[in-house]
Amino acid sequence: DTAVSQTPKYLVTQMGNDKSIKCEQNLGHDTMYWYKQDSKKFLKIMFSYNNKELIINETVPNRFSPKSPDKAHLNLHINSLELGDSAVYFCASSQVWGRGSGGPETDTQYFGPGTRLTVL
Amino acid sequence: QKEVEQDPGPLSVPEGAIVSLNCTYSNSAFQYFMWYRQYSRKGPELLMYTYSSGNKEDGRFTAQVDKSSKYISLFIRDSQPSDSATYLCAMKKGSNYKLTFGKGTLLTVNP
Repeated sequence: DTAVSQTPKYLVTQMGNDKSIKCEQNLGHDTMYWYKQDSKKFLKIMFSYNNKELIINETVPNRFSPKSPDKAHLNLHINSLELGDSAVYFCASSQVWGRGSGGPETDTQYFGPGTRLTVL
Repeated sequence: QKEVEQDPGPLSVPEGAIVSLNCTYSNSAFQYFMWYRQYSRKGPELLMYTYSSGNKEDGRFTAQVDKSSKYISLFIRDSQPSDSATYLCAMKKGSNYKLTFGKGTLLTVNP
């Protein structure tokens, strides 16, 4: 009954490979996110989808492509992996985006357990 | 200057101590302020949520926001070893804006 789940938990791969990370939430939320956390624990947003529509697209290389087949899933595909892509990638979800004045009920982001990606 | 600055620590305190964690920010448009707690090898989880300036208390935790100084704090009273984690401040401008996180402060509470 995990709220936000990610697979795989660990991913070790060679430079140049293509890999995907999957995320699913069973909270009925409208909005999902991908974050990257580097070795210094800095957590930075990459993408966000609201009801399958891309709403945040930060400055990330176009080797990273998110895909949302439905509002419960947000996957991340990475092409031509580089050493600098090594990090922990977190998926998150929140109830709703852009409605009213905000508040903990709507704004709280629930994070998955993370996918630790190591590029060799 | 980064939008959100947070001392990464590490901070080590004895059990029972009062802990003070702080963040400063540069963008006066931030209105919503949060503290997330992240245990080792886990995802962050929301600890405290405040809107605009003021204090909010929840058990042993108190969040303070001073918008005039662009400064937010999290106080932990009677700290416990189970409070050992990384604490990340986060803030946003409005309900349809992204969250901007601080770098996180690693706290260890020693028994």
